Amino acid sequence: ETGVTQTPRHLVMGMTNKKSLKCEQHLGHNAMYWYKQSAKKPLELMFVYNFKEQTENNSVPSRFSPECPNSSHLFLHLHTLQPEDSALYLCASSHEGGPDYNEQFFGPGTRLTVL
Amino acid sequence: LAKTTQPISMDSYEGQEVNITCSHNNIATNDYITWYQQFPSQGPRFIIQGYKTKVTNEVASLFIPADRKSSTLSLPRVSLSDTAVYYCLVVPSGNTGKLIFGQGTTLQVKP
Repeated sequence: ETGVTQTPRHLVMGMTNKKSLKCEQHLGHNAMYWYKQSAKKPLELMFVYNFKEQTENNSVPSRFSPECPNSSHLFLHLHTLQPEDSALYLCASSHEGGPDYNEQFFGPGTRLTVL
Repeated sequence: LAKTTQPISMDSYEGQEVNITCSHNNIATNDYITWYQQFPSQGPRFIIQGYKTKVTNEVASLFIPADRKSSTLSLPRVSLSDTAVYYCLVVPSGNTGKLIFGQGTTLQVKP
């Protein structure tokens, strides 16, 4: 247990569906992240939120829509996805703003399959 | 952010010491060297971080030469459960949270 939970753990959806991924951190951190990990590829940073404000959008298609209502919760809203969006979606959190590097704590991920 | 280069894969046997070397020729003065471990279908997990010389914790040791252009992660007496992907990252101090993961090194530990 890393203190970061993600639901659901597995999701199968059609290309016309709308679904949401949820992430919650219980660590008192102020920054949260979404990563995508496709098969045989490195993790790709998608979005960064710092104190609930989005500070990074790594050229992610608009069919992925993040939402951060507070510093403990992060959502990724999905609509009209493509089969190539099938991947493991990972959420992470960290405490940012200090002088030193702060490690990121990752959740277990949501395995998404788009049919 | 400095680019890192590490072997794609390594094999080892239980009980052996494993050393994974990472090159980061363009490391900046304020950068830390950080290693993460990832098991299949799980998120990465931080294992160790260093700036220079040697760092040791309960999981691994990290050796960094004086020029800091490379680093070596050392796993003592590996077991089957150490089979994972190991990522070397270079991260600026006062980090903005932007981690750039490469392909990592897939370590396969055999019985």
